[in-house]
Amino acid sequence: SQQGEEDPQALSIQEGENATMNCSYKTSINNLQWYRQNSGRGLVHLILIRSNEREKHSGRLRVTLDTSKKSSSLLITASRAADTASYFCATIPAGNKLTFGGGTRVLVKP
Amino acid sequence: DGGITQSPKYLFRKEGQNVTLSCEQNLNHDAMYWYRQDPGQGLRLIYYSQIVNDFQKGDIAEGYSVSREKKESFPLTVTSAQKNPTAFYLCASSIQEGRNVYEQYFGPGTRLTVT
Repeated sequence: SQQGEEDPQALSIQEGENATMNCSYKTSINNLQWYRQNSGRGLVHLILIRSNEREKHSGRLRVTLDTSKKSSSLLITASRAADTASYFCATIPAGNKLTFGGGTRVLVKP
Repeated sequence: DGGITQSPKYLFRKEGQNVTLSCEQNLNHDAMYWYRQDPGQGLRLIYYSQIVNDFQKGDIAEGYSVSREKKESFPLTVTSAQKNPTAFYLCASSIQEGRNVYEQYFGPGTRLTVT
């Protein structure tokens, strides 16, 4: 099974609304990363949050990390049509190999 | 213009043929990775390399082979032994410092179709 599991699998919102997605993982981590993938394209790194951090911001993105619950959340505020993409969390359960979850597909309707 | 490139964008092959996917980076990264992505799914690691002339199997290495003769290049060969090779293949690179893990930079991907 995958180390990271995103929830929900799919999300549909109106432009201007906030989008929240969650990631749960199984083993201890050093850091957790979030990536975005536009349809048919490569992934783009969004944020890296270390295990000793609880919250991190980047523009309209806010990531939280709760190591006691082994979970993370990604919040996109004031969403735009251009935010339509799949979002993946990635963790490192062993060694130094990133392991990706199945992703959350976000659709922002204009 | 720094980055990581993959070619070709689309590739079609007949069953039973080997095919090599190209991945080049000019980011001076030590580590490079190959992932496979199936429709609606996440990424699965095929092979990775942390240094020239060395590489390690990932989670789904069977039916694939790689080489790392140059720091900038990490080609992936999909052999005829791969039972279901049709997929989207992504190459990535990252800084490598001991056991510290940094963000990965991805290429645009190659969509391989085998019929």
